[in-house]
Amino acid sequence: DTGVSQDPRHKITKRGQNVTFRCDPISEHNRLYWYRQTLGQGPEFLTYFQNEAQLEKSRLLSDRFSAERPKGSFSTLEIQRTEQGDSAMYLCASSAQVVSTSRQYFGPGTRLTVL
Amino acid sequence: DAKTTQPNSMESNEEEPVHLPCNHSTISGTDYIHWYRQLPSQGPEYVIHGLTSNVNNRMASLAIAEDRKSSTLILHRATLRDAAVYYCILSQDGSSNTGKLIFGQGTTLQVKP
Repeated sequence: DTGVSQDPRHKITKRGQNVTFRCDPISEHNRLYWYRQTLGQGPEFLTYFQNEAQLEKSRLLSDRFSAERPKGSFSTLEIQRTEQGDSAMYLCASSAQVVSTSRQYFGPGTRLTVL
Repeated sequence: DAKTTQPNSMESNEEEPVHLPCNHSTISGTDYIHWYRQLPSQGPEYVIHGLTSNVNNRMASLAIAEDRKSSTLILHRATLRDAAVYYCILSQDGSSNTGKLIFGQGTTLQVKP
């Protein structure tokens, strides 16, 4: 399968703990996006990477959130000191930079539950 | 970011065509119209996109009004597997644009056997 993969698929943690999610985009896709989706809502944009550079961050991305994409390949999203409000599905997507409107390919998501 | 308006839900019978409307009265000249859908417990999936002309692909057709203030996603023969939330999204072109997608609530499509 050459699609976008995310790990883990599910994560249950206690409030105050740190969690890290991984996203492996489609090979050679230089654009990578993180979104967050809460129950009954559409996905919300969190951050965008072009290769290894993080070029945009949403105001939704508090200081407790950090994302990296070393060497422009896989990406990680870390949440420090998790809160119950962080419970959501975290989605990763990638696209090839043909034009900015290139279709995005989404992974299956990581569902985070903060107890 | 330009906004879109979609009905919250629609129903269709299996094997019948489905027309999903989207209003985007504040669309700008460089906004592309994208449609994604999200099946239960899955990430969103690209369906189709266009700028001015109608578009067809193996999944669906996109009909864009002449003034571009509305569009319609057409599923020619709905199947049970088409039951999903359908999102209509505007995204600007341009090398300086990130291509991020701004999702609304979408339309939940139910397909009845």
